[in-house]
Amino acid sequence: DAKTTQPPSMDCAEGRAANLPCNHSTISGNEYVYWYRQIHSQGPQYIIHGLKNNETNEMASLIITEDRKSSTLILPHATLRDTAVYYCIGSNTGNQFYFGTGTSLTVIP
Amino acid sequence: GAVVSQHPSWVICKSGTSVKIECRSLDFQATTMFWYRQFPKQSLMLMATSNEGSKATYEQGVEKDKFLINHASLTLSTLTVTSAHPEDSSFYICSARGPGSVDTSFFGPGTRLTVL
Repeated sequence: DAKTTQPPSMDCAEGRAANLPCNHSTISGNEYVYWYRQIHSQGPQYIIHGLKNNETNEMASLIITEDRKSSTLILPHATLRDTAVYYCIGSNTGNQFYFGTGTSLTVIP
Repeated sequence: GAVVSQHPSWVICKSGTSVKIECRSLDFQATTMFWYRQFPKQSLMLMATSNEGSKATYEQGVEKDKFLINHASLTLSTLTVTSAHPEDSSFYICSARGPGSVDTSFFGPGTRLTVL
């Protein structure tokens, strides 16, 4: 699985868009980019995943660069409940994941 | 999304005893489930892959005789921590691949194990 690099922490004002970057320069052609988040003392929650096209669902948008070496998760209107640790993971199975250290996002009122 | 449950949500036990943690896929069948461990302020670490009807596959460094995994049905996997010691205190989380063609996994809420 691809090694991913994320900033350790970020702040975002409530109501604004939160843009969380992820570097995955070693990702292989058949590996998807997955995003999960973990609120304190809970299991990770699936957000979104993509291969090379941008993706959008009811939670977020995923923008993947053309060379697939990096991606950005966008929470369009952050709320206080979006405060969590966000994990970007590269995987070609969608099953087993090797988690990195993630980004701790704090949404500020 | 698909729902995965764990039981118990927390457990406290004495050193030397064994503890069983259950992971269930509530509204779908999961031929493969995964077990993770998370220490405070750290990320999740994959421990093992649990396959229905066959032996589990353990990650390097995880003692298979200490962490017994049984996947007896398509909706249930169990993790038994044998002869638990305080260093086994951790947050244990399972996941299961989503139903049908969903190419991702859904996680349970986790089980907090404290060994005294």
